[in-house]
Amino acid sequence: NAGVTQTPKFQVLKTGQSMTLQCAQDMNHEYMSWYRQDPGMGLRLIHYSVGAGITDQGEVPNGYNVSRSTTEDFPLRLLSAAPSQTSVYFCASSPLAYRGEELFFGSGTQLSVL
Amino acid sequence: GENVGLHLPTLSVQEGDNSIINCAYSNSASDYFIWYKQESGKGPQFIIDIRSNMDKRQGQRVTVLLNKTVKHLSLQIAATQPGDSAVYFCGSGGYQKVTFGIGTKLQVIP
Repeated sequence: NAGVTQTPKFQVLKTGQSMTLQCAQDMNHEYMSWYRQDPGMGLRLIHYSVGAGITDQGEVPNGYNVSRSTTEDFPLRLLSAAPSQTSVYFCASSPLAYRGEELFFGSGTQLSVL
Repeated sequence: GENVGLHLPTLSVQEGDNSIINCAYSNSASDYFIWYKQESGKGPQFIIDIRSNMDKRQGQRVTVLLNKTVKHLSLQIAATQPGDSAVYFCGSGGYQKVTFGIGTKLQVIP
């Protein structure tokens, strides 16, 4: 099992560019989520999904889109990158609609927007 | 990420001593609480969780204490080892969502 795989590990964008952060898990987990982590701040939930075809907003959804067409994949799209989106992004999954079961995190994507 | 340790409160502990990391939460409706460990450049790793109907739970070398009266959570690490050096943060939540604290950086002094 590879667990949760995120690509790319590093990315530099110019303001206004778009890109997709990829997240895939091979554990057949229903729940998947995206967080951003900024210095001095806790992990903040961007979007989450409780199953294929179902997504919902988290704490900081503005500027990001998600879709969940399969159980395995949960890509995060930045439509028009802004410097405020410079951060480290983590994808996480859990076996069921999350009620405290362990979240399995990917290794992160470090994004810089210039 | 690489910068996760910046701007965080730091706890320095001698190797072999016990560590106590504290966390305050704000939502009294939270019904579960979790501790994660994050090493530099890596994603967070689950350590232990506790439900709101408990006040103590023990794992391997770790104990979590929950005081709902003052909305406080603590993680105790016994016989701290150099490999315990990391950022530790708590999470609290209910259905489908969890809110994480900013974390505490644990430095183990050999």
